[in-house]
Amino acid sequence: EVHLVESGGGLVQPGESLRLSCGASGFTFQDYWMSWVRQAPGKGLEWVANIKQDGSETQYVDSVKGRFTSSRDNGKNSLYLQMNSLRAEDTAVYYCARWRKREVWSLDSWGQGSLVTVSS
Amino acid sequence: DIQMTQSPSSLSASVGDRVTITCRASQSIANSLNWYQQKPGTAPKLLIYAASNLESGVPSRLSGSGSGTDFTLTISSLQPEDFATYYCQQSYTTPETFGQGTKVEIK
Repeated sequence: EVHLVESGGGLVQPGESLRLSCGASGFTFQDYWMSWVRQAPGKGLEWVANIKQDGSETQYVDSVKGRFTSSRDNGKNSLYLQMNSLRAEDTAVYYCARWRKREVWSLDSWGQGSLVTVSS
Repeated sequence: DIQMTQSPSSLSASVGDRVTITCRASQSIANSLNWYQQKPGTAPKLLIYAASNLESGVPSRLSGSGSGTDFTLTISSLQPEDFATYYCQQSYTTPETFGQGTKVEIK
């Protein structure tokens, strides 16, 4: 069974940094693209980033480009999201998810989410 | 960016009702359309991928259809466990945008 567990969320002040982690189990982590999706309180879902199997390619939503960096350690079955220069509008629950291609791409397994709050 | 517009934003229905949610893309996305269900305080769950393919374990009362710009999610007979928020997502091109969600509430 696929299992994804996020950690590292918390309360930070505007301008500060935070690093989220996502531990994966139940599948061959190095074989899959992975994604980050966020959800602001009471709002809808927003795709944030994708990262290729070997970490050689990443994609980001415009609002986080230059501030967020997704990386992975396939030896540790772990995905990371380094978030710098955080803003109030980055406040959200951040989910990691497996990005899978079956005819089309979809997010077929999700973690439980990690809450990031940016506030002074 | 491709804009995804769902309608309605919310609906009230009774157990046993047939429910249809629509999702419209701002440009053609072929069949690159996924549907997710989210219950309060939990992560989203994939229901349908490629517009009409049911994810493993998803009950057959749910179905999806459409291609190009117009898509539908249908629940043939609403059950208590179906009360949730539903999101469409296009995976045709980055950024892989979501619709704003449709909340299905109990009448």
